[in-house]
Amino acid sequence: GDSVTQMEGPVTLSEEAFLTINCTYTATGYPSLFWYVQYPGEGLQLLLKATKADDKGSNKGFEATYRKETTSFHLEKGSVQVSDSAVYFCALSVGSSNTGKLIFGQGTTLQVKP
Amino acid sequence: GAGVSQSPSNKVTEKGKDVELRCDPISGHTALYWYRQSLGQGLEFLIYFQGNSAPDKSGLPSDRFSAERTGGSVSTLTIQRTQQEDSAVYLCASSLVGQGNNEQFFGPGTRLTVL
Repeated sequence: GDSVTQMEGPVTLSEEAFLTINCTYTATGYPSLFWYVQYPGEGLQLLLKATKADDKGSNKGFEATYRKETTSFHLEKGSVQVSDSAVYFCALSVGSSNTGKLIFGQGTTLQVKP
Repeated sequence: GAGVSQSPSNKVTEKGKDVELRCDPISGHTALYWYRQSLGQGLEFLIYFQGNSAPDKSGLPSDRFSAERTGGSVSTLTIQRTQQEDSAVYLCASSLVGQGNNEQFFGPGTRLTVL
């Protein structure tokens, strides 16, 4: 079945460090791919998305490229800030009727220290 | 504008009792989703509504779980005869339409604790 695998956390970085959170997926169709973020005490919110192969999603300095050949959608940021500390979820949406149902990875906790 | 709201924010109940969780989606959003977030299972899809009908109930874990949506708006998730393994945060999300590339907007969740 369809699934998403993320690198396990927690990930601890110093401010201004480079961030990569790996995400790979398995899907029978042509999924849309998403990164959602959950800041402490807040609800899930969309960070970025890509809907077809080779698309790059970007927002708030974060980027992820939809790589069909490696079935990956790794999240990157060149210089993290303390305010980026949160839980990051990779997700896909696919299905015969493409209802938008999301399948999530396990989540990766990022802690950025000053 | 108003986002997705859920009530109650916290619910503590005793094993065997029934509970109802409510979701108010963003006005005009035709698609509504319920998910469950628990330590052991991560974020799991439960059910999808398009309007008042539920074409995908594949994530409901047992027949103790049911949901309805009325007026194309408010949805209620009901758990009968609650068990301790039902303890989790129940999240509701809505989107304009139920399509794969549409952003889903999530509510703050209801934290359910079954004693």
